[in-house]
Amino acid sequence: DVKVTQSSRYLVKRTGEKVFLECVQDMDHENMFWYRQDPGLGLRLIYFSYDVKMKEKGDIPEGYSVSREKKERFSLILESASTNQTSMYLCATYRGLSYTDTQYFGPGTRLTVL
Amino acid sequence: GQQVMQIPQYQHVQEGEDFTTYCNSSTTLSNIQWYKQRPGGHPVFLIQLVKSGEVKKQKRLTFQFGEAKKNSSLHITATQTTDVGTYFCADSGGYQKVTFGTGTKLQVIP
Repeated sequence: DVKVTQSSRYLVKRTGEKVFLECVQDMDHENMFWYRQDPGLGLRLIYFSYDVKMKEKGDIPEGYSVSREKKERFSLILESASTNQTSMYLCATYRGLSYTDTQYFGPGTRLTVL
Repeated sequence: GQQVMQIPQYQHVQEGEDFTTYCNSSTTLSNIQWYKQRPGGHPVFLIQLVKSGEVKKQKRLTFQFGEAKKNSSLHITATQTTDVGTYFCADSGGYQKVTFGTGTKLQVIP
């Protein structure tokens, strides 16, 4: 079974702080994703990575950056947290070699920015 | 860019009633995947449809892919409290990217 873990389930930070969210997968998947989930807006893609050190902007990258130094680890960075970044953050992996492949999600991190 | 919308956004049903969520894309869908997210949980893959007009069933759940591959639906017969959650459709056409719909949150009243 694919295992995707995220560093924290709940996180509370203050406006202006630098925030790191980490995601680790154990299935050697090439592709990793960061989404944020807000009521009524579904899952919105922030960034994704299709290989080590490679990254692509998703639909809402502003205010975020990412790092993928190792294949199994994908970090989301909020350089200066703001209250409108309060959200649920979900990491996912995706093998992407076949049209039958599916995404596997981590448990999520609920971030509150005060 | 591609937009994948789902309706309704929220639905409350009495236990035993049927439920349907509709997924509509602004562009032709390559393949459609459906995920379920239980309250407090993360999305979990349910099924994938590939062919135009395809219909698949999983017990009380029926999934349909439109003839023009621009829409899909999920129908639950005789809902149970275990069906509570948010249902997402997703276009899995890109080998590197999956585009998710806006989701439908289902509440089942016992």
